[in-house]
Amino acid sequence: QLVQSGTEVKKPGASVKVSCKASDYTFTSYGLSWVRQAPGQGLEWMGWISVYDGYTSYAQKFQDRVTMSTDTSTSTAYMELRGLRSDDTAVYYCAREGRALSFFDYWGQGTPVIVSS
Amino acid sequence: SYVLTQPPSVSVAPGETARIPCGGNNIGSESVHWYQKRPGRAPVLVIYYDTDRPSGIPERFSGSNSGNTATLIISRVEAGDEADYYCQVWDKTTDHPGCVFGTGTKVTVL
Repeated sequence: QLVQSGTEVKKPGASVKVSCKASDYTFTSYGLSWVRQAPGQGLEWMGWISVYDGYTSYAQKFQDRVTMSTDTSTSTAYMELRGLRSDDTAVYYCAREGRALSFFDYWGQGTPVIVSS
Repeated sequence: SYVLTQPPSVSVAPGETARIPCGGNNIGSESVHWYQKRPGRAPVLVIYYDTDRPSGIPERFSGSNSGNTATLIISRVEAGDEADYYCQVWDKTTDHPGCVFGTGTKVTVL
């Protein structure tokens, strides 16, 4: 199970940090990706973190603005997005990799992030 | 980067078969996964590795993948199948692997 933090409302230029707490499985055995969906748009992959060793791989679009991290002591993953713009308004999901570089078998419930002045 | 193309919409009558294509260059050599996305809900994996079905997903959901097209097939369509469907692959063609989602297809049950 993946449980995410609640709705965030931010002003343009601010940062947001979304959390994703895992339970009922060995946290370090699976990678995690972050995926977002803007209103009326499709699913967009933001990046991936290997919980085992902290290695990250970000989509080029977000390379300069995103940081993904984990806290293995609390089985929690984090996604921080900086320099927020209005087009970052979206629902952000964490998703567990079933196997390395494969499918996503479990998803968080989603965290709405609203960017508005 | 790798591009996956899906039709924006597919309409199907209850009890009929819906076929949702996902086009990509030589996609038959990739592993394709499919997700169902309902409004306000998290995506749900319905097919993985082209043809495998997670536990709890009805046998009515199946998949195929060959050449330049992967296909999600929903047999005996029910009203509850109405949702958006996305295909997904990992683009390993560069030294910076990345996940790619298709453009999404809205399935409407008439």
